Amino acid sequence: AQSVAQPEDQVNVAEGNPLTVKCTYSVSGNPYLFWYVQYPNRGLQFLLKYITGDNLVKGSYGFEAEFNKSQTSFHLKKPSALVSDSALYFCAVRDEGLTGGGNKLTFGTGTQLKVEL
Amino acid sequence: DVKVTQSSRYLVKRTGEKVFLECVQDMDHENMFWYRQDPGLGLRLIYFSYDVKMKEKGDIPEGYSVSREKKERFSLILESASTNQTSMYLCASSLQGWSNQPQHFGDGTRLSIL
Repeated sequence: AQSVAQPEDQVNVAEGNPLTVKCTYSVSGNPYLFWYVQYPNRGLQFLLKYITGDNLVKGSYGFEAEFNKSQTSFHLKKPSALVSDSALYFCAVRDEGLTGGGNKLTFGTGTQLKVEL
Repeated sequence: DVKVTQSSRYLVKRTGEKVFLECVQDMDHENMFWYRQDPGLGLRLIYFSYDVKMKEKGDIPEGYSVSREKKERFSLILESASTNQTSMYLCASSLQGWSNQPQHFGDGTRLSIL
């Protein structure tokens, strides 16, 4: 079974400050991990993914995420937040060893990021 | 860029009606998915399809069915709509065979059942 948890419903940060949105996961094998962003009344947009290799993954709009196998975490980060980053962020996981099911992902419940001036 | 198009952004239907939600993708993706999104619950998978005429149940298939007659089109059907099916519905597609590929989403259909 695969699962993912986003422990914070909302994160508030001042513009220009660094931001972190947390994600932890559980899989039987190796994880494939994804971050998506959703702006109001829109679908989800892919930000970045971790498959293998370097633990620091860089993605769209200046976001990056750090994979930590020992802590089973994949936190989303950005060095300097913008007001336009305010949105709903979803973490998702797929177990590499999972057979069948297309590439079925399990999503977290989402974290609302609010960046204020 | 991959484009996933959902036919309606907003839809209002009545209890007991048969409701069709349509989704079309233009990138020749094998996999297509239907999710519903509810506050505090995230995305929950209703059904997915990995090929034409093939479908598998997701986590919450009750009250729904799907149809995939052509590769680019995946329809979600609410056989007899009920008020607890009021939700945001999201369609997604992805390449098959490479489970590390991201899913690409449409803009969603906000469905209200009165």
